[in-house]
Amino acid sequence: AQSVTQLDSQVPVFEEAPVELRCNYSSSVSVYLFWYVQYPNQGLQLLLKYLSGSTLVKGINGFEAEFNKSQTSFHLRKPSVHISDTAEYFCAVAGRAAGNKLTFGGGTRVLVKP
Amino acid sequence: DSGVTQTPKHLITATGQRVTLRCSPRSGDLSVYWYQQSLDQGLQFLIQYYNGEERAKGNILERFSAQQFPDLHSELNLSSLELGDSALYFCASTQGTVSSGYTFGSGTRLTVV
Repeated sequence: AQSVTQLDSQVPVFEEAPVELRCNYSSSVSVYLFWYVQYPNQGLQLLLKYLSGSTLVKGINGFEAEFNKSQTSFHLRKPSVHISDTAEYFCAVAGRAAGNKLTFGGGTRVLVKP
Repeated sequence: DSGVTQTPKHLITATGQRVTLRCSPRSGDLSVYWYQQSLDQGLQFLIQYYNGEERAKGNILERFSAQQFPDLHSELNLSSLELGDSALYFCASTQGTVSSGYTFGSGTRLTVV
């Protein structure tokens, strides 16, 4: 079984400032890691995923995340946010077996202020 | 457009009623997952189908059931609805392997009054 903890439920940030969203996971098996974004009144959109290889993963919209196996973390970062980045962000984990379901964290709401 | 189609987008119904939510997966995807998103529970996995067969069950109530048809679309049936069933219900599809990624639909917002 897997579990995901997103340490911040809300993160206010000023436009053009950097942001980091923290995610820690727990699993008894090897996992794949994902970050999804949900804009208001919309579905979930994949930002990036870690499958294997380089621990620094680049995604869409200037986001990147770093996988740290020893700390079981997968923190998401963006060096300079825009108003349009206001959304809810979900970290998720799935076991590597075929067909394994995604387990989501509780989400972090990012509010970008002008 | 993600390629995963969910209908209807909004549904308002009374307690005790039964509703059916529909999901058409992305072309070529064999696996369908259903999730419930509510304010108090977050995103909860309900059930998974792969090529017509049930593969995994999560926190799905006995009042809820689902199936996947030969054309691979899936339906989630919710019966004896309660106020607490009000939520956003998402469908996601994948080719079958985790690494291929999950594509989510835009969801069905269910309001039980």
